[in-house]
Amino acid sequence: KAGVTQTPRYLIKTRGQQVTLSCSPISGHRSVSWYQQTPGQGLQFLFEYFSETQRNKGNFPGRFSGRQFSNSRSEMNVSTLELGDSALYLCASQQRGVDQETQYFGPGTRLLVL
Amino acid sequence: SQQGEEDPQALSIQEGENATMNCSYKTSINNLQWYRQNSGRGLVHLILIRSNEREKHSGRLRVTLDTSKKSSSLLITASRAADTASYFCATDSNYQLIWGAGTKLIIKP
Repeated sequence: KAGVTQTPRYLIKTRGQQVTLSCSPISGHRSVSWYQQTPGQGLQFLFEYFSETQRNKGNFPGRFSGRQFSNSRSEMNVSTLELGDSALYLCASQQRGVDQETQYFGPGTRLLVL
Repeated sequence: SQQGEEDPQALSIQEGENATMNCSYKTSINNLQWYRQNSGRGLVHLILIRSNEREKHSGRLRVTLDTSKKSSSLLITASRAADTASYFCATDSNYQLIWGAGTKLIIKP
């Protein structure tokens, strides 16, 4: 099976712009989670989707949003970008999205905000 | 927010030696997982230990869990250059993983 894919891999934006990142989970996986990774804050949970429904959301401002499509692919959007949004954004998929189930991570999208 | 701390923050050892890293967490858990991250392969799941388990092995990896102390340790035996990476512990709760800060491991040839 193909792994989790994320597009684009690298992105440069300027403050105030918005950005959309895409994640395709492993075939058959219905849960997609998003994480932000920065040197200062480490890995932080953004949100999790299962069957097109957001089940949990981390402590991020409303500028961060996401959605999941019927084929389980997910997108996250960040509006009005700030310098502090520069980070590696990781998505992970799970088959059933339950605790104790392995999460499989994509390679990430590295976002640089200038 | 982060679940806890990993110790040490960085570790440099000779190839062939054993590496031990520790993770502490704050809240009650159902399980604890260890992940490895390097530039080549991204973030990869290594091992999961349930709260009712005390020790688990997978190849050269040995994980222990002490729920009374809210801590876990990861031992990598007979280290190899390919083990150079950052290692993270994570606990899952309510459909999210809560991460430690990570230990950066460098294996010297």
